[in-house]
Amino acid sequence: GENVEQHPSTLSVQEGDSAVIKCTYSDSASNYFPWYKQELGKGPQLIIDIRSNVGEKKDQRIAVTLNKTAKHFSLHITETQPEDSAVYFCAATSGGGADGLTFGKGTHLIIQP
Amino acid sequence: NAGVMQNPRHLVRRRGQEARLRCSPMKGHSHVYWYRQLPEEGLKFMVYLQKENIIDESGMPKERFSAEFPKEGPSILRIQQVVRGDSAAYFCASSGTNQETQYFGPGTRLLVL
Repeated sequence: GENVEQHPSTLSVQEGDSAVIKCTYSDSASNYFPWYKQELGKGPQLIIDIRSNVGEKKDQRIAVTLNKTAKHFSLHITETQPEDSAVYFCAATSGGGADGLTFGKGTHLIIQP
Repeated sequence: NAGVMQNPRHLVRRRGQEARLRCSPMKGHSHVYWYRQLPEEGLKFMVYLQKENIIDESGMPKERFSAEFPKEGPSILRIQQVVRGDSAAYFCASSGTNQETQYFGPGTRLLVL
């Protein structure tokens, strides 16, 4: 089955700086890669996703890149703000979203004022 | 458009009792997924259902756990004879008929005493 590794487990950055979270996956058939943000006591919230037919996607301060050959994908957050502090999860699936997602273990992002 | 709804938000059970967790998908969504999250860990896929059908239950423990998504009403995750190891947050997600992005509910926090 699919295995997703996520690094780092904790990331502390100064407000205004950029943050990068990296994930690798094992199943070359995986074709859908969402990123979720989870705040304390809440459910995961989709922030951006990418499919295997594109290499990069951007939405305002958030971008995701995908390297299919190396089987890794990354989340980039620019101009970080205090409200970006949360746990971020990457995930992968081979069903185009139709199957169960395999999640990484999460990155606790801390934005220092 | 209301999001995914789950109830109860918190559930306390004693060992040996039954736990019933309910999930109402987003309006227009017919695909439901259940995930379990242990403290400080990522989400683990349990089961994927469509109306009246279990599509993939590869992540469900073989005993004590069952899930259904009837023609009418919410999806139910049922845990019989709960044990302390069942204590976790259980999240439900739903997706539309095009089987794409999964949107998560707020979760049910189960505590087994």
